[in-house]
Amino acid sequence: GDSVTQMEGPVTLSEEAFLTINCTYTATGYPSLFWYVQYPGEGLQLLLKATKADDKGSNKGFEATYRKETTSFHLEKGSVQVSDSAVYFCALRPTGSARQLTFGSGTQLTVLP
Amino acid sequence: SQTIHQWPATLVQPVGSPLSLECTVEGTSNPNLYWYRQAAGRGLQLLFYSVGIGQISSEVPQNLSASRPQDRQFILSSKKLLLSDSGFYLCAWRGQGVTEQYFGPGTRLTVT
Repeated sequence: GDSVTQMEGPVTLSEEAFLTINCTYTATGYPSLFWYVQYPGEGLQLLLKATKADDKGSNKGFEATYRKETTSFHLEKGSVQVSDSAVYFCALRPTGSARQLTFGSGTQLTVLP
Repeated sequence: SQTIHQWPATLVQPVGSPLSLECTVEGTSNPNLYWYRQAAGRGLQLLFYSVGIGQISSEVPQNLSASRPQDRQFILSSKKLLLSDSGFYLCAWRGQGVTEQYFGPGTRLTVT
């Protein structure tokens, strides 16, 4: 079945450090890929998405590139801020599926001033 | 613009009591609707999804049920809560022809 594997956290960085959160997936065909962010006590917010190979999703300084050859969708940001502290979820939606997103287990990011 | 509401925001219920959580979406028609549960420190588990009024698909057998009495209303229920039902319940919607889901603010349920 489909699955998403994220690097385990927690991740602790200093402000202005470079961020990478690894995400790899297993799926047939060409799934759509997503990163969601969850701030404490809140629901999930869509951060960025990519729907086909080599697409780059970007938002709020975050980027992720859909790599079909390595089945990866790593999240990056060049300079993190304290306000980026949150849990980040990688997810996929299989081609043509009406039903679900398959989520990774989430990565807790803490950015220290 | 589209918005999604969930209530209540927090709920504390004794074991064996009933449950009703409500989710409504505004600004769209015929959305796909989803209920997820997030246990403490864990990822998200899809519980139910619906592609239309009265159409409910269950992903995980449990003592919960879902209903969709109106196009933009999705209700999660239980007749008798278990301790293991505690968690953060998230409702989400997806519009026709798009890939992403949008989540509500969630309901924090504590079963005591």
